[in-house]
Amino acid sequence: QKEVEQNSGPLSVPEGAIASLNCTYSDRGSQSFFWYRQYSGKSPELIMSIYSNGDKEDGRFTAQLNKASQYVSLLIRDSQPSDSATYLCAVNKRAGGTSYGKLTFGQGTILTVHP
Amino acid sequence: SAVISQKPSRDICQRGTSLTIQCQVDSQVTMMFWYRQQPGQSLTLIATANQGSEATYESGFVIDKFPISRPNLTFSTLTVSNMSPEDSSIYLCSVAGGLGKETQYFGPGTRLLVL
Repeated sequence: QKEVEQNSGPLSVPEGAIASLNCTYSDRGSQSFFWYRQYSGKSPELIMSIYSNGDKEDGRFTAQLNKASQYVSLLIRDSQPSDSATYLCAVNKRAGGTSYGKLTFGQGTILTVHP
Repeated sequence: SAVISQKPSRDICQRGTSLTIQCQVDSQVTMMFWYRQQPGQSLTLIATANQGSEATYESGFVIDKFPISRPNLTFSTLTVSNMSPEDSSIYLCSVAGGLGKETQYFGPGTRLLVL
């Protein structure tokens, strides 16, 4: 079983629709969860971080975390063609007594928003 | 978030040679990391660059192949040694521990092609 697994893509949605990206993780010790967006030829940029169960909203983006189900998702409302990119789920397990554990990434989901 | 730069941005190298990649941050950060992203793949952590001590390498990565330095809290280098075509990848540094605490932010990456 992969440590971090994302829903297989690519995902294609029409402009204005809701895009739903899903991620599951295997390590119950995971503490922090991140969504990064990566445009082709660019480095990952942070979209959202979430630490507690429930929803976290930032503009058109909503991250949802359910630690009991080991599941984290990202919803993009009113999807735009500029949202077309690869979305990476990353999970951070705090190593030892430090606050800065390593990030483990999922394989990424390619999202295409078509006009 | 911190401003991160990497040099070189891209390079084409001959097999058997070595390349040193620099990562510079505009503010002091606690943690610096080095990742590899192979073509069409997600990110894999190579090592954590520790200031004043030896880097901490992930499984499958060794110091002889990927020596890392971190002389201070704003700078790190990764060397890819004795390169082969399999080393052709994007190499990314990331930082954490600034104002965003454990959130990791990525540099622009170094695109390496080994012939």
